[in-house]
Amino acid sequence: GQQLNQSPQSMFIQEGEDVSMNCTSSSIFNTWLWYKQDPGEGPVLLIALYKAGELTSNGRLTAQFGITRKDSFLNISASIPSDVGIYFCAGQKASGGSNYKLTFGKGTLLTVNP
Amino acid sequence: GAGVSQSPSNKVTEKGKDVELRCDPISGHTALYWYRQSLGQGLEFLIYFQGNSAPDKSGLPSDRFSAERTGGSVSTLTIQRTQQEDSAVYLCASSPDSGSGYTFGSGTRLTVV
Repeated sequence: GQQLNQSPQSMFIQEGEDVSMNCTSSSIFNTWLWYKQDPGEGPVLLIALYKAGELTSNGRLTAQFGITRKDSFLNISASIPSDVGIYFCAGQKASGGSNYKLTFGKGTLLTVNP
Repeated sequence: GAGVSQSPSNKVTEKGKDVELRCDPISGHTALYWYRQSLGQGLEFLIYFQGNSAPDKSGLPSDRFSAERTGGSVSTLTIQRTQQEDSAVYLCASSPDSGSGYTFGSGTRLTVV
């Protein structure tokens, strides 16, 4: 099925550094979501974006919904060891009977070196 | 319950056997979803239940896969005659309605040997 192009696939950074990851799609989405998954757990919602151009923050996390509605990015500032995990973007379609489905990127594996 | 509960958390089965995976959604959530996560991949949609409507089964990879949701609550995903390529983490999620963000369970890690 369709997937989003998420990059980078993995990142290895030092504690305190800022991180940026993004997702792009050939299709328009009306909702963009960012999830984090810890080992052995299900993904947990970090930020939800509902409007093109929207910029939303949640603590050290900031995410933006691209103007074209085909992309989104997530920034993490001043990373800490507990930021380690896999980050997924997900998009929800604008219209159609199956707008409840989420399309996921393949994830960005983040490793933070203390 | 407080969260989405899935059982078992881990399942190892022999090729060719049938398995049943259970999901107990958050109380009151009308929408329930099953996704599959293979190693190094994103999440792949399998099936969606919403209230009493007919489920969307469009993501089920083969006729060996089936799911039901009894009484609008607990759901069971059944895989018949398991194959090695079925090995993955099976995630269940629920939401108050079809347009809301999901809450995921911790998943069932299925290993077919």
